[in-house]
Amino acid sequence: DSGVTQTPKHLITATGQRVTLRCSPRSGDLSVYWYQQSLDQGLQFLIQYYNGEERAKGNILERFSAQQFPDLHSELNLSSLELGDSALYFCASSVVHGGGDNEQFFGPGTRLTVL
Amino acid sequence: ILNVEQSPQSLHVQEGDSTNFTCSFPSSNFYALHWYRWETAKSPEALFVMTLNGDEKKKGRISATLNTKEGYSYLYIKGSQPEDSATYLCASYLLSGNTPLVFGKGTRLSVIA
Repeated sequence: DSGVTQTPKHLITATGQRVTLRCSPRSGDLSVYWYQQSLDQGLQFLIQYYNGEERAKGNILERFSAQQFPDLHSELNLSSLELGDSALYFCASSVVHGGGDNEQFFGPGTRLTVL
Repeated sequence: ILNVEQSPQSLHVQEGDSTNFTCSFPSSNFYALHWYRWETAKSPEALFVMTLNGDEKKKGRISATLNTKEGYSYLYIKGSQPEDSATYLCASYLLSGNTPLVFGKGTRLSVIA
């Protein structure tokens, strides 16, 4: 158990809908990262927050947004869902703001299926 | 664009065999190289984080080396066991500011008893 929690574990929804994925980092970790794992793709970095502020942005679609709250939990909002958004979404956390020489701790992931 | 390549894509070995696989990454602006182990139905777990050229790290039967000048890292598993079956991911982190970890697609290892 990494100490990172994600809810829900599974999510099935229809195209055009909006969903929210939630992540709680390990106690003491200030950075939260969101990744997308699609079929045959590596882990794709979406976005990073550090202590409530957006820190780095990757290949995140405009339909997707995220935030980190004062209690350091984070939410990833996916809207106008398309079939291609079906994927495993991971949250990870680390102590500091940079990936650098600090390992990231991954949550169990949320499996999103868009029908 | 930073590309992290891993080879082979998949590997089947017999229990007791030793094996190794490769991660290659652009060497310019290198800062750190991460190795993660990802078992089916679980989440990735960090094995090693390496920063220095020539660095070698070991955890039990698994070890890794790093060559930052030529941009590659090897992961070795000695005496593979069925419980070593997993996907092994490497990820590179650049020095140049707020860039995230860039992951390779992984090497899927299956150890046959």
